Amino acid sequence: RKEVEQDPGPFNVPEGATVAFNCTYSNSASQSFFWYRQDCRKEPKLLMSVYSSGNEDGRFTAQLNRASQYISLLIRDSKLSDSATYLCAPLGDKLIFGTGTRLQVFP
Amino acid sequence: DTEVTQTPKHLVMGMTNKKSLKCEQHMGHRAMYWYKQKAKKPPELMFVYSYEKLSINESVPSRFSPECPNSSLLNLHLHALQPEDSALYLCASSQGARTGELFFGEGSRLTVL
Repeated sequence: RKEVEQDPGPFNVPEGATVAFNCTYSNSASQSFFWYRQDCRKEPKLLMSVYSSGNEDGRFTAQLNRASQYISLLIRDSKLSDSATYLCAPLGDKLIFGTGTRLQVFP
Repeated sequence: DTEVTQTPKHLVMGMTNKKSLKCEQHMGHRAMYWYKQKAKKPPELMFVYSYEKLSINESVPSRFSPECPNSSLLNLHLHALQPEDSALYLCASSQGARTGELFFGEGSRLTVL
């Protein structure tokens, strides 16, 4: 089993849609979790940090299920500018990135 | 604009060349990282420096040699690379090594001929 698994997508959604991504991780010692977004040919940028059961920031909600070892990212009211690859990253003794889920929002 | 600066942005080198990638941050961060990213793949951790000491080496081949001259600078020395080493090399920094809140530079895109 890979350390961090994500559905690669792409998820193609219209503007205004709600979309959710899941991420599963194998290291049960992971204490905190992070979502990064990466635009094409750009560097990853931190989107959200999750230290407890979840976090919400505007249109973005992350939820953590430690028992099942997965975290999710929900994006409401999608914008064209949300088009990117979303990388899940649990922190154990080091930060490991998942393969990423590609989101394409169309008009 | 990113507060982590990497140079050069692009580098083409032959397999016998010696070159270096440079990274600088002025956020007072005490941890710095090198990641390697191939197309359509996630960033892969190579090295972590914490308080200027190498704390993690992910079994990286010795043709990659990191150096941390001070808390603001991180170098990656390259020697006798292979074509499969062609990738985007990302530098990142964080306040400490036990956080996942990393700030990345724009990367150095390396091509090995």
